[in-house]
Amino acid sequence: AQKVTQAQTEISVVEKEDVTLDCVYETRDTTYYLFWYKQPPSGELVFLIRRNSFDEQNEISGRYSWNFQKSTSSFNFTITASQVVDSAVYFCALSEVQTGANNLFFGTGTRLTVIP
Amino acid sequence: EPEVTQTPSHQVTQMGQEVILRCVPISNHLYFYWYRQILGQKVEFLVSFYNNEISEKSEIFDDQFSVERPDGSNFTLKIRSTKLEDSAMYFCASRMDRGFSYEQYFGPGTRLTVT
Repeated sequence: AQKVTQAQTEISVVEKEDVTLDCVYETRDTTYYLFWYKQPPSGELVFLIRRNSFDEQNEISGRYSWNFQKSTSSFNFTITASQVVDSAVYFCALSEVQTGANNLFFGTGTRLTVIP
Repeated sequence: EPEVTQTPSHQVTQMGQEVILRCVPISNHLYFYWYRQILGQKVEFLVSFYNNEISEKSEIFDDQFSVERPDGSNFTLKIRSTKLEDSAMYFCASRMDRGFSYEQYFGPGTRLTVT
């Protein structure tokens, strides 16, 4: 069965600090997708990134970077030089291709607070 | 840019009443989903819908729930007899196809409050 674990429930950092949000997943599928979503206080889910299981290249997008390691079943998310606007709940999610409809299984989220 | 829309943004209902949550997916998308998020908790999959039938459903999606695509644009979630524990944010999502490269686009959510 699939599982996504975000062990960090809440993290607080001071503005301009770097912060890494951890995500560990479990799946029996060999083909799957991993995602990160941001949920700001307004409540919507904002897509940040998708990664497929065959692509372990790290990705950088501005201040955001993602580290995907199949050997440890982890897909960690780093924000460099954090800003107050980064304050949100961040969800990691897994989609198993073999299930057909590609439903998303979410972790419990990490609440990030950036203190000015 | 096309987006998924949901109405209403907030629905208050009394226990035992029926509610219908409405979603308009992105027009050329073929897969549709409902998820729910109880306040402060994770987002949970409810049901997926493809080709006018349920593709998959979770154990949360019991006989009290139903989905429908009554016309070419709307996708609805009906809860027949609401319970207090149905209070949550309900998110609709749509996806272009089952191809690997297509992600789900989420609507802004409907907050359901059952009193």
